[in-house]
Amino acid sequence: EPEVTQTPSHQVTQMGQEVILRCVPISNHLYFYWYRQILGQKVEFLVSFYNNEISEKSEIFDDQFSVERPDGSNFTLKIRSTKLEDSAMYFCASSQRTDTQYFGPGTRLTVL
Amino acid sequence: ILNVEQSPQSLHVQEGDSTNFTCSFPSSNFYALHWYRWETAKSPEALFVMTLNGDEKKKGRISATLNTKEGYSYLYIKGSQPEDSATYLCARSVYNQGGKLIFGQGTELSVKP
Repeated sequence: EPEVTQTPSHQVTQMGQEVILRCVPISNHLYFYWYRQILGQKVEFLVSFYNNEISEKSEIFDDQFSVERPDGSNFTLKIRSTKLEDSAMYFCASSQRTDTQYFGPGTRLTVL
Repeated sequence: ILNVEQSPQSLHVQEGDSTNFTCSFPSSNFYALHWYRWETAKSPEALFVMTLNGDEKKKGRISATLNTKEGYSYLYIKGSQPEDSATYLCARSVYNQGGKLIFGQGTELSVKP
């Protein structure tokens, strides 16, 4: 059964460093998302992406964040200069023209 | 405000018990209600998507109902098994074709053998 994959599973970085989180969505899906969950809080939406552009973004998704679909299969989230408060589990999801979003297993980002 | 609330926050039951939890949400601008099952270190697994008032869906021992007029959904597990232990998340989407999901805080279920 097709699944969303994410790498790495755990990323540790120093404050101020750039990180790139990678996702491979399900191959025939058209809509792509990033969510995150800070420990003890709700899963929160960051950004949605369709037709090679951002379709919606949350207040969290400021200029430090960017997304890209560089090669038709990968979908990446870049954080330019990480802050301590960026420590969270980051989930990628994808969907077809339906409501069901399929999630990857997440990347745990730890900013020291 | 599009807040989604779930209760209880956690639940401990014995194997064989039936259980249910609640997801409540604002009924305005409703499009769909989603339930996910999330085990630690795994991907959240989609259980149900419901859109119509009165919808009932079933998957094995798990079922869900939806009331969009009063803004709630129930998830039921009949005859809980230890492998049902997980966090159950509900989320609402506001519009179709790629709308963001707004999640509740989850209900953590622990089933003791």
